[in-house]
Amino acid sequence: GAVVSQHPSRVICKSGTSVKIECRSLDFQATTMFWYRQFPKKSLMLMATSNEGSKATYEQGVEKDKFLINHASLTLSTLTVTSAHPEDSSFYICSALWGGGSYNEQFFGPGTRLTVL
Amino acid sequence: SQKIEQNSEALNIQEGKTATLTCNYTNYSPAYLQWYRQDPGRGPVFLLLIRENEKEKRKERLKVTFDTTLKQSLFHITASQPADSATYLCAPLEGGTSYGKLTFGQGTILTVHP
Repeated sequence: GAVVSQHPSRVICKSGTSVKIECRSLDFQATTMFWYRQFPKKSLMLMATSNEGSKATYEQGVEKDKFLINHASLTLSTLTVTSAHPEDSSFYICSALWGGGSYNEQFFGPGTRLTVL
Repeated sequence: SQKIEQNSEALNIQEGKTATLTCNYTNYSPAYLQWYRQDPGRGPVFLLLIRENEKEKRKERLKVTFDTTLKQSLFHITASQPADSATYLCAPLEGGTSYGKLTFGQGTILTVHP
């Protein structure tokens, strides 16, 4: 199956700093990627849809100036958490839409654990 | 508003038995419904997809049913093994402009005891 990677897998930062998380589709091109966050013992919540070459579409309640998304190439989307605060601590997961089959399957990255002190 | 409910937060069964997980949805008209497995600290892994015009889908020890009248999907794992222990998530998927956007249920934590 298709592989999606995320980097870093874990990051600890001080309050007020910005953190960038990368999501890469390793063996396929993805015009659409998605970013989710997951709190402990909760389900994944979609944050935004990232489209290559255009602005991301954010879900209701997600601050676009807080969570900057850039999808500059067909294999890379980045999520930057700006001026991170402890309440931004969460598990961030990306997925990439693969259109190679009869159905556009979605493949998930392994996630990035962000801890803001 | 749209809602996805998965039965019981946790399900405990004995090895060898069949695990049955339920996913109910309201205010959705999904063209597809997907099931994922998620292990702690990992991203979800796709298991099965069933289309609205399919009543049942099988893959090895997994079986999914989809009843659009009841607005329900059942996910079965037969001959369960301790390695099947994980959180299972359902995600109805609508077509059209929402294509690709997944909304997950809260998940059911399955524990298979040896």
